[in-house]
Amino acid sequence: QKEVEQNSGPLSVPEGAIASLNCTYSDRGSQSFFWYRQYSGKSPELIMSIYSNGDKEDGRFTAQLNKASQYVSLLIRDSQPSDSATYLCAARHPNAGNNRKLIWGLGTSLAVNP
Amino acid sequence: DAGITQSPRYKITETGRQVTLMCHQTWSHSYMFWYRQDLGHGLRLIYYSAAADITDKGEVPDGYVVSRSKTENFPLTLESATRSQTSVYFCASSEASGASSYNEQFFGPGTRLTVL
Repeated sequence: QKEVEQNSGPLSVPEGAIASLNCTYSDRGSQSFFWYRQYSGKSPELIMSIYSNGDKEDGRFTAQLNKASQYVSLLIRDSQPSDSATYLCAARHPNAGNNRKLIWGLGTSLAVNP
Repeated sequence: DAGITQSPRYKITETGRQVTLMCHQTWSHSYMFWYRQDLGHGLRLIYYSAAADITDKGEVPDGYVVSRSKTENFPLTLESATRSQTSVYFCASSEASGASSYNEQFFGPGTRLTVL
């Protein structure tokens, strides 16, 4: 059974700190990974996607992928109260064929305290 | 440019009634998806579609019907609503591209459905 695991949290960090969100996946064949942010009562919003080992940076966000250890992480630098949300991790297996289905984690709740 | 829209945004219905949730996208994305999101279960795929007239079941298809006669529309019908179908429903779309693409999914605003 292909799975994506996340710590449900809540993860609480002070404003200005680095928030580190982690995600592990069970299927070694997974190749594309996605981080979504979901505010309460809103729809998921894509933040980052990554498929190569290493780091990918976009503004205050850095996604890190380590395929050997089967984990993906999202770092949020200079955390702001507006970053308080649930962060969803998703993975796509290449053998999913042309159906583009994703495997979703349950999400980590992040609270940034002023 | 509206992107992806869903209607209605809120719906209250009664057990046994038929309900149709609409999804419309303006990006001409080939792929469209219907999810439901419930506490403790996260996002669960109901049905998806690779193109007009091509649909397939997801993880939790029972009690739902979809159609896709046009690329831009992907309605979801609950043929006889049950209380267990009370949920938030999200539609998403993704473009069809080569293996090097990330194939991100983009979500609509959601429909909150309550079945009494």
